[in-house]
Amino acid sequence: EADIYQTPRYLVIGTGKKITLECSQTMGHDKMYWYQQDPGMELHLIHYSYGVNSTEKGDLSSESTVSRIRTEHFPLTLESARPSHTSQYLCASSELGPGGYYNEQFFGPGTRLTVL
Amino acid sequence: DAKTTQPTSMDCAEGRAANLPCNHSTISGNEYVYWYRQIHSQGPQYIIHGLKNNETNEMASLIITEDRKSSTLILPHATLRDTAVYYCIPTGRTGSARQLTFGSGTQLTVLP
Repeated sequence: EADIYQTPRYLVIGTGKKITLECSQTMGHDKMYWYQQDPGMELHLIHYSYGVNSTEKGDLSSESTVSRIRTEHFPLTLESARPSHTSQYLCASSELGPGGYYNEQFFGPGTRLTVL
Repeated sequence: DAKTTQPTSMDCAEGRAANLPCNHSTISGNEYVYWYRQIHSQGPQYIIHGLKNNETNEMASLIITEDRKSSTLILPHATLRDTAVYYCIPTGRTGSARQLTFGSGTQLTVLP
């Protein structure tokens, strides 16, 4: 079993609030990802990180920001939540293998965000 | 990344083999074929991957055609817990460590 955790699992919040979605992994993986998925729709990569102090934007534009101060922690922040941010947010991590390539991604259980 | 074509949905009787096809005719030589699945409301789960040889693990078998333009994921004895959306994802593994691009996948429903 993969050891990757997301909190909270569910969050209902009002418009304009600042929120931080937490993601932690205990596997020592250097690469971490955030995906966004609307109900019944495809997953889209919104952020990723190769390691500490490394963050990149993904394929889907997002108003969220991320940080990577510690290897095991990759929080996602929305400065001012809006109803359009209502979605499921999934965190994942992967390990750089001995051959110089990244192995499979392990996903957390997700945070389902509802902005009223 | 290579484009993929998968059936939108499939049904399978419990206890029977589930064969999920994927076409990836534009796959490049250095791209592996990864399979993930996503059970409703959960995070995706890695199943198996391969380059050109057939692969088997405790979850499934992966059959890749010789020209690598298509592959089939086989769940040998499907159970109700295998009901999920299955994604076929060609992706490179080296260099910039390409990201996974999830398409719409195949909704597999295992029927009792």
